[in-house]
Amino acid sequence: GAGVSQSPSNKVTEKGKDVELRCDPISGHTALYWYRQSLGQGLEFLIYFQGNSAPDKSGLPSDRFSAERTGGSVSTLTIQRTQQEDSAVYLCASSLNLAANNEQFFGPGTRLTVL
Amino acid sequence: AQRVTQPEKLLSVFKGAPVELKCNYSYSGSPELFWYVQYSRQRLQLLLRHISRESIKGFTADLNKGETSFHLKKPFAQEEDSAMYYCALGRSYIPTFGRGTSLIVHP
Repeated sequence: GAGVSQSPSNKVTEKGKDVELRCDPISGHTALYWYRQSLGQGLEFLIYFQGNSAPDKSGLPSDRFSAERTGGSVSTLTIQRTQQEDSAVYLCASSLNLAANNEQFFGPGTRLTVL
Repeated sequence: AQRVTQPEKLLSVFKGAPVELKCNYSYSGSPELFWYVQYSRQRLQLLLRHISRESIKGFTADLNKGETSFHLKKPFAQEEDSAMYYCALGRSYIPTFGRGTSLIVHP
């Protein structure tokens, strides 16, 4: 089947606006992860889901960031009142389950630019 | 604290030269270690994992628990190996990635 998909691929927004990023994981994958990829900073873990549940939200950079997952499938990452430092590529990944030795399958990312 | 360190941001070699991308980890338990690669304009993908003990595209990586390292090696680099490489530690439910090493292989 299809791999992980993300939309939009690019998003340009003005400072202070809210944005919503979407991730469609591979069908049947119960674990879903969000990362932020910034130049020179590598991959910053944001949040994970097992099913619809996100037990640990401590990786989210601020309370402007939130995420949800419905039906054990699609997930959305919402950034409220965007700031210029939020500019980055946001990656979503899914894996069969949360086992530590599972491969993660990544989406193409959403490039967010905050003007 | 769990940590993955990739000391080199950039590694530049000529085609045919050996290459070693360094990765050191800090973890008190039994680690699950991976190398992921991102080629230009492609998505991040798994290259290899230590549990498989396999060679992919000529790359190998050996887990050295004494030195807490998982260096990625290839005896003869090719131009198509130019990419961003990330070492990752799978632990509990929160994976930890290193900052990545950009490998450039010159013709």
